[in-house]
Parts: sequence; C-alpha cells; structure tokens
Amino acid sequence: QVQLQQSGPGLVKPSQTLSLTCAISGDMITNNNADWTWIRQSPSRGLEWLGRTYYRSKWYNDYAESVKSRISINPDTSKNEFSLHLSSVTPEDTAVYFCARFLVPGSTYNYYDFWGQGTLVTVSS
Amino acid sequence: DIQMTQSPSSLSASVGDRVTITCRASKSISDYLNWYQQKPGKAPDLLMYGTSSLHSGVPSRFSGSGSGTEFTLTISSLHPEDFATYFCQQSYGAPYTFGQGTKVESK
Repeated sequence: QVQLQQSGPGLVKPSQTLSLTCAISGDMITNNNADWTWIRQSPSRGLEWLGRTYYRSKWYNDYAESVKSRISINPDTSKNEFSLHLSSVTPEDTAVYFCARFLVPGSTYNYYDFWGQGTLVTVSS
Repeated sequence: DIQMTQSPSSLSASVGDRVTITCRASKSISDYLNWYQQKPGKAPDLLMYGTSSLHSGVPSRFSGSGSGTEFTLTISSLHPEDFATYFCQQSYGAPYTFGQGTKVESK
C-alpha cells in the first residue's frame, strides 16, 4: 500500500518561501509509471494543480503557469521523497496543500490514486 | 488549460435518492475523465477513472457516463456515507484540471 506523508510548517510569512516535503512509502519515486504532484485547495481557487516531478529514464518537471516563476518541485531519491518550494508567498497562497501520486500505467487511463494527508498553510505576518 | 465545469454546485437529497452530477469540459477530452469523492478534512478519494471504470472497492451504486465534453456521475441510491463533495478531473492533458465540486447535502 502506497502512503504519502507530508511535513512542513503551517504558517509562512508574506514574501517568504513555503516549503513542504512528501515522503513516499510503498513505491519508489523513480517509478516510471508515476508522476509525483503537488495540488492545493482553497475556497477561492478550488483544487489547483501546481506541478509535478516524474522520472522517465531522466527527471522532468512541469509547473502551472500561475506559479511557474515561483515554484520548484524537487525529487530526493536518497530519501524517496519530493518537496515543494513556493517563493514570494502572499495571503492568496493560503490553502490546503496535498501531494499525490498520479498513476500513469502507459496504455490505459491516468488518475490520482494516493494522496498525502494535506497541510493547511496560512500566509500571514 | 482545459476548464472543467460541474453542475450543480450543491444539491440536497435524501437517503435512497438517485443523484446525478454533470461535468463539462471546455474542449473534447475523449473519455479521460475521473471522479473523486472528498469528505471534510480529508484528501479526495478516487471513485472512477476513464469515465466509467470503478476504482477498486467503490460500490456499484456509483456509475459514470459520457464522452467528449459532457459527463455524468450517478449515484443510483444514496447511502448515508455518500454525503460528500464530488469532483471531476480531466486526465487528457496537463495541467490536469478539476471541476469546482458538487456538494451533496442531506435534505
């Protein structure tokens, strides 16, 4: 059974960097059939895809246009985890942040099958 | 980006009712449509993928249909544990966008 365990602070000051980590158990971050994703949820934006990191013989990243200039998602193969860094945060970045596995089986459908527990991050001074 | 629009945004129903939720995509996504159920304070749970394939362990009272730009999720007979918020999500192309959600409440 795959489990994703999130960690990181729940309060970040405006203009600072939001950093969260997602530790993976039951799967390898180098799984060629998985994208490791960060999604956030807020009343104003709903469920918003932020970006992903994935391994297909080498590492790739994709980011949402809305945060592309401020975001970095980094895999750590030694710890089997991946992290989210979102810089220059404002109160609009206040949300529940989820990590999730997007299963990409190849010839069939893709979907989010395992999620972290969610972390409420509040941006406030 | 592909926009996903759900209707209604909320509905009130009773145990035993048949419930239908609609999801529309801003362009054709073939049948690359997933449905999730979310309860308060929890992450979404996968219900259905590929429009109509039930995820492991999901009861058969849930069904999905559609193709192209219009899709439906149907609960044939609402159970108490089905009161939740439901989201559609397209897996046709990144960014894999979600609908805004439909909250199913008790009448």
